[in-house]
Amino acid sequence: EAQVTQNPRYLITVTGKKLTVTCSQNMNHEYMSWYRQDPGLGLRQIYYSMNVEVTDKGDVPEGYKVSRKEKRNFPLILESPSPNQTSLYFCASRGGTGGARGYTFGSGTRLTVV
Amino acid sequence: QKEVEQDPGPLSVPEGAIVSLNCTYSNSAFQYFMWYRQYSRKGPELLMYTYSSGNKEDGRFTAQVDKSSKYISLFIRDSQPSDSATYLCAMTLDISNSGYALNFGKGTSLLVTP
Repeated sequence: EAQVTQNPRYLITVTGKKLTVTCSQNMNHEYMSWYRQDPGLGLRQIYYSMNVEVTDKGDVPEGYKVSRKEKRNFPLILESPSPNQTSLYFCASRGGTGGARGYTFGSGTRLTVV
Repeated sequence: QKEVEQDPGPLSVPEGAIVSLNCTYSNSAFQYFMWYRQYSRKGPELLMYTYSSGNKEDGRFTAQVDKSSKYISLFIRDSQPSDSATYLCAMTLDISNSGYALNFGKGTSLLVTP
């Protein structure tokens, strides 16, 4: 089954403790992206990657890092999490030659930073 | 001004009603227009996409884009309780090196009552 898999689904952590949220897709997509979803703010892009070793900032990159060493994986790293990073996170990947086609989202990771 | 505006609702309708969901936007360079459906605790799933202006129909769903007014709509005919979800509009530029980043509305919560 074609899918984007995120882990963990739920995570509670303490301020300053480094964490990684993993994202993997099995569709051989070149483009991958991370979003966060907050009440009243909607979905906002954190980082995206157009291919292996090619990453760029989205709208809200502060406090996050990403890496793209393999095509299928795009982990999101929080080096020193803070409470304002409490949010629902989605990984997405896109296939096709352009435009809107092929965006597939993962099921989300609900992160709470205390 | 946020680039994409969407009334958050909630919108409550009886089963069988025609539902109209709308978004306005400010960036005239947007070329691809999408509607996503998001059930509680799930990631967004693509419902409809349209390139440029015009209408597109898929079963009970019709998407309309009016670029001159910077206005897009999603119509749901014969609404069902299973249509109860949050509906997100999204749009993107037609620039390949932008990664086709999705610009989302905040989502409209729809409840279809039996």
